[in-house]
Amino acid sequence: KQEVTQIPAALSVPEGENLVLNCSFTDSAIYNLQWFRQDPGKGLTSLLLIQSSQREQTSGRLNASLDKSSGRSTLYIAASQPGDSATYLCAVPSLEYGNKLVFGAGTILRVKS
Amino acid sequence: DAMVIQNPRYQVTQFGKPVTLSCSQTLNHNVMYWYQQKSSQAPKLLFHYYDKDFNNEADTPDNFQSRRPNTSFCFLDIRSPGLGDAAMYLCATSRDRLNTEAFFGQGTRLTVV
Repeated sequence: KQEVTQIPAALSVPEGENLVLNCSFTDSAIYNLQWFRQDPGKGLTSLLLIQSSQREQTSGRLNASLDKSSGRSTLYIAASQPGDSATYLCAVPSLEYGNKLVFGAGTILRVKS
Repeated sequence: DAMVIQNPRYQVTQFGKPVTLSCSQTLNHNVMYWYQQKSSQAPKLLFHYYDKDFNNEADTPDNFQSRRPNTSFCFLDIRSPGLGDAAMYLCATSRDRLNTEAFFGQGTRLTVV
């Protein structure tokens, strides 16, 4: 059964710091991994999708890497800003689950000005 | 520009009074999903449609039903809302079962009084 774990559960950093959010999954037979951002009381915004054949994807100050063999992904945020404060979730489609997404519980990020 | 639109954003209903949440999409995606998300938890899949094919999750209560009258629209019906059904309800789409990149709406916050 695919399980997704995100560490840390919460993170508070000063503005300008570079930071890393971690996501691990138990079944490495995945097609892709998706990172989302969720602001309080809002829906999920897709940040990055990494295909299983890729090792990383970049969008602006965000860089996500994927190591399928070890079941890990990291989301790197450069030069963090208060506007980056949100919950970050990773999700993978589970082959045994009909390719439906299995989510981690998220990392709550607070960037202090 | 919104590609997945949920209405209403906020819904207050009385205990036991049927309520319907709606979702529409302009992406022409085959798959539409309904998730329930309670505070500080990962989204939990309730059911999904692959085209007109309805797929219920094993642990989704009978109190929750769904309709998809056409490609663009999907509805979530809660027949007799209880206090425990208060949550954020998220609609999402993906192109198909292999191309699982998910696009979410802004969610409907349901309050049961």
